[in-house]
Amino acid sequence: GAVVSQHPSRVICKSGTSVKIECRSLDFQATTMFWYRQFPKQSLMLMATSNEGSKATYEQGVEKDKFLINHASLTLSTLTVTSAHPEDSSFYICSAQGPQGETQYFGPGTRLLVL
Amino acid sequence: GDSVTQMEGPVTLSEEAFLTINCTYTATGYPSLFWYVQYPGEGLQLLLKATKADDKGSNKGFEATYRKETTSFHLEKGSVQVSDSAVYFCALPMNRDDKIIFGKGTRLHILP
Repeated sequence: GAVVSQHPSRVICKSGTSVKIECRSLDFQATTMFWYRQFPKQSLMLMATSNEGSKATYEQGVEKDKFLINHASLTLSTLTVTSAHPEDSSFYICSAQGPQGETQYFGPGTRLLVL
Repeated sequence: GDSVTQMEGPVTLSEEAFLTINCTYTATGYPSLFWYVQYPGEGLQLLLKATKADDKGSNKGFEATYRKETTSFHLEKGSVQVSDSAVYFCALPMNRDDKIIFGKGTRLHILP
C-alpha cells in the first residue's frame, strides 16, 4: 500500500522556538495532505487541509500564523509550529491523498514536546 | 451535523476473548464507514471499511457490518490476541470535502 513518512518522529524544543515537521508521500503523488493533532486520550482533530501549490485551508479555531503549512510539491508538505509553547505539545499526524480522492494514508506521527 | 460515537474505553480482555467495540453514526446520505487502528507509538492505519449498507469490512480477523437501520458499524473479533492491544477509531468520511470525522477512540488492552 501507499506509504507516508513523517520527520522527525519525536522532537523536544524550548519554548519560543519554531519546529518544522515534514510529511512525505513516498510512492504516490499527494495532491491533498491533511494535518491532524491528537490530544491525550482524545480523537484526532483536523487542523488544516493543504492542496499542492495553494494556500492551506485551516479549521475554525486553528491559528494560521502559528501553524504554518506549506505544500510546495506533490510529495511534501511541512507544518511549522512557530514560537512553540508547552500547550503546543502534542502528537501531530499527517495524511496524504492521491488525485483520485481515494483513501487517506496516514503518517506515523510526530510527537512534539515543548519545554 | 455529522458525528461518530463509539464506546469509551479502556476495554480490557483476556487473550482469545470475543471483542465488540460499538460505533454509531449520524450522517446525511449514505457515507462510507471506516475503522482505524493506532498501535502504541505509531500513526493510524486503516483497518477495514464498508462503502454501503449491509457491506461487511474485514481484515486481520476483525469484522464490521454497515447497518443502516441501526446506524451502526460495530467492530468485532472472535478471538483477540495480545498484539491487538491498540486504540481503535471509528471514522466517517465526509465525501463533499474529504474530511474525516473520527470517534474519540477506544483503547483496548489484551492480557496474556
